[in-house]
Amino acid sequence: QKEVEQNSGPLSVPEGAIASLNCTYSDRGSQSFFWYRQYSGKSPELIMFIYSNGDKEDGRFTAQLNKASQYVSLLIRDSQPSDSATYLCAVRYSSASKIIFGSGTRLSIRP
Amino acid sequence: DVKVTQSSRYLVKRTGEKVFLECVQDMDHENMFWYRQDPGLGLRLIYFSYDVKMKEKGDIPEGYSVSREKKERFSLILESASTNQTSMYLCASNDRGSELFFGEGSRLTVL
Repeated sequence: QKEVEQNSGPLSVPEGAIASLNCTYSDRGSQSFFWYRQYSGKSPELIMFIYSNGDKEDGRFTAQLNKASQYVSLLIRDSQPSDSATYLCAVRYSSASKIIFGSGTRLSIRP
Repeated sequence: DVKVTQSSRYLVKRTGEKVFLECVQDMDHENMFWYRQDPGLGLRLIYFSYDVKMKEKGDIPEGYSVSREKKERFSLILESASTNQTSMYLCASNDRGSELFFGEGSRLTVL
């Protein structure tokens, strides 16, 4: 089992709809969870982080964390063509400073 | 602004050569990381360092070594480059528990 798993996609969503991206992780003691966006040829950039169970909202983005199910998700409301990118889920393990990434989900917003 | 600088954006090396990838951060961060990114595989952790002269293996350390003699600098070393090490290499840094800040990446081609 991979430590951090994401559906690789591509996920195609019409403009203006909600895009839902999912991530599961294996280390039950993990405490910090991050969503990064990466455009082709660029480095990843942070969209959101979440530490506590529940929802965290920032503009059009909502991160959801369920530690019991070891599941974290990212919702993008009112999807825009500029949201087309690869979204990377990252988890900081409990035992150390190391941060592990999933393989990423490629999101495509169609006009 | 946090700045993580990778010394070389593009490198072409021959099989068997020794390769140094340098990374410098200017925010006095405790932790520094080296990842490689390949299509469909996301970011895979090679090594990370949580203090000067301290290092820990990530998920794919084979064929690599690292050096952290000063807090701001973290070097990745390929003792004898092989074609399967052709990849994009990303350096990142953070303080305990915070988000990762990435450099622009070093694209290495081994012929």
